[in-house]
Amino acid sequence: QKEVEQDPGPLSVPEGAIVSLNCTYSNSAFQYFMWYRQYSRKGPELLMYTYSSGNKEDGRFTAQVDKSSKYISLFIRDSQPSDSATYLCAMNSRGGATNKLIFGTGTLLAVQP
Amino acid sequence: DTEVTQTPKHLVMGMTNKKSLKCEQHMGHRAMYWYKQKAKKPPELMFVYSYEKLSINESVPSRFSPECPNSSLLNLHLHALQPEDSALYLCASSQVRAGEQFFGPGTRLTVL
Repeated sequence: QKEVEQDPGPLSVPEGAIVSLNCTYSNSAFQYFMWYRQYSRKGPELLMYTYSSGNKEDGRFTAQVDKSSKYISLFIRDSQPSDSATYLCAMNSRGGATNKLIFGTGTLLAVQP
Repeated sequence: DTEVTQTPKHLVMGMTNKKSLKCEQHMGHRAMYWYKQKAKKPPELMFVYSYEKLSINESVPSRFSPECPNSSLLNLHLHALQPEDSALYLCASSQVRAGEQFFGPGTRLTVL
């Protein structure tokens, strides 16, 4: 079993739709949770960063962490064609100088105009 | 400034060449990373530097040689690469004890 599971998609939605992206994980030591957006042939861009459980909102993006279920989500409201990209979840545990991020496989999102 | 810069953007090299990839950040981060990313795969960790010292080498072949000359710069020296080493090479940085890492735009490497 992989440490982090993410549906690879592709996920195709019409413009304006609410998008839900999800990851599950198995390591209960994970405390830091990130969502990255990666456009084709570009580096990952940090979208959301949350610590432990709870919700965090930034504009059209909301990140949710449920540590009891080992489940994290990213919601995109009023999706735009410019949101078309691969979305990677990533997580790690605190402590030490390693900070090794464990990534999901990424979900490819296409928002149709 | 949350920017990590990488040069060059693209690099084509033969299997006998020696080249270097460069990464720079001015966020005061003391942890820096090299990742390799193949198409449709997540980034794969290669090396971690913490306080300018190598702290993780993920069993990377010796034809890849990292160097951290100071707290802002990270280099990856390449020698005798194989065509399967063609990939997007990403640099990232973070605070040593923070979870979030900031990535650069990457260098797209092609080995002929």
